[in-house]
Amino acid sequence: KAGVTQTPRYLIKTRGQQVTLSCSPISGHRSVSWYQQTPGQGLQFLFEYFSETQRNKGNFPGRFSGRQFSNSRSEMNVSTLELGDSALYLCASSLPSGSYEQYFGPGTRLTVT
Amino acid sequence: LAKTTQPISMDSYEGQEVNITCSHNNIATNDYITWYQQFPSQGPRFIIQGYKTKVTNEVASLFIPADRKSSTLSLPRVSLSDTAVYYCLVGDSQAGTALIFGKGTTLSVSS
Repeated sequence: KAGVTQTPRYLIKTRGQQVTLSCSPISGHRSVSWYQQTPGQGLQFLFEYFSETQRNKGNFPGRFSGRQFSNSRSEMNVSTLELGDSALYLCASSLPSGSYEQYFGPGTRLTVT
Repeated sequence: LAKTTQPISMDSYEGQEVNITCSHNNIATNDYITWYQQFPSQGPRFIIQGYKTKVTNEVASLFIPADRKSSTLSLPRVSLSDTAVYYCLVGDSQAGTALIFGKGTTLSVSS
């Protein structure tokens, strides 16, 4: 069974631009969560989607948004990029919603210049 | 979510057994204990999860005492490839799936 895939793997953007990251969960998994990882703040939860609905949201500004499609694929969008948004963005999927057994993708490395 | 405390770092040699202990004094009745492993520039990988006593899978064992205020991840006969950061998480899946990662334990395995 294929794992979680994320595209693109690397991205360079300029301050003020916006970016969209994509995540395809493991087949059959309906819950998708997004995390941001930086050296200073570590791994931080962004939001979780289940059946196209946002179930949970972390403490991030409204510039960070996401959505989930009927096939469980998910996208996250960051508008008006700031230098501090440079990070590894990780997507994780799980079979039931509410599971701590999550499977992470390889991440998208975003660099904002 | 229960707060967890782990050692910042540990060193070991190849072939040794490594035990990483996590303290979670205010664990709730419905909370499960979950461990993840992360290599640099990769997403965390689920290792093992348990509720009480002992759980074993093909890569690790998890020991949980009766009071559940701590847990120990045991890695048998570590190799260089086990060098990674290990995270202990405690929480109630009914409360949502927002995994809260602490700083984890950086395990360094030498030859």
